[in-house]
Amino acid sequence: GAGVSQTPSNKVTEKGKYVELRCDPISGHTALYWYRQSLGQGPEFLIYFQGTGAADDSGLPNDRFFAVRPEGSVSTLKIQRTERGDSAVYLCASSPTGSGTGELFFGEGSRLTVL
Amino acid sequence: GESVGLHLPTLSVQEGDNSIINCAYSNSASDYFIWYKQESGKGPQFIIDIRSNMDKRQGQRVTVLLNKTVKHLSLQIAATQPGDSAVYFCAENSNTGKLIFGQGTTLQVKP
Repeated sequence: GAGVSQTPSNKVTEKGKYVELRCDPISGHTALYWYRQSLGQGPEFLIYFQGTGAADDSGLPNDRFFAVRPEGSVSTLKIQRTERGDSAVYLCASSPTGSGTGELFFGEGSRLTVL
Repeated sequence: GESVGLHLPTLSVQEGDNSIINCAYSNSASDYFIWYKQESGKGPQFIIDIRSNMDKRQGQRVTVLLNKTVKHLSLQIAATQPGDSAVYFCAENSNTGKLIFGQGTTLQVKP
């Protein structure tokens, strides 16, 4: 079947605007993760869902960032009042169990540029 | 705090040679480690994993070695090919399921 799908692949916005990034995980995967990757850096954990609930949101940098997964499948990462420092590639990954071990399947990311 | 880091930012090898990419971690309680490969413009791709009750695990052309005494992890790639050129990350999987990534090593394969 299809892998993890992320839309949009590229998003350019102006400082102060609101942005939504969407993730379609692999069908049947209960765990879903959001990471942020800046140029030349490793992915930085943001939030992790087990089903519909956020199991760990300790990586969200501030209250401008919010993520939902209302039906336990598709997830949306929402960024309010964007700042230039939010520019990065936002990666989504899913996992069959989210047990803490095992492979995470990553999408190709959404590149966000804040002007 | 936890951290996962890589020793070298860039590794250049000749096609056909073996490659060794190193990683150091600081949390002695870490018990599960993963290597990922990331090509330009793509998401990380799983290569191989290892649990702390093992010191070696082999896959197809890849071997991961774990030395818990010195908190060191390495990825060995046999007969390196041009398609192996990418950034390689080691990552630690915490009890909550989240991965903590290092900064990555860029592998360049010279023809």
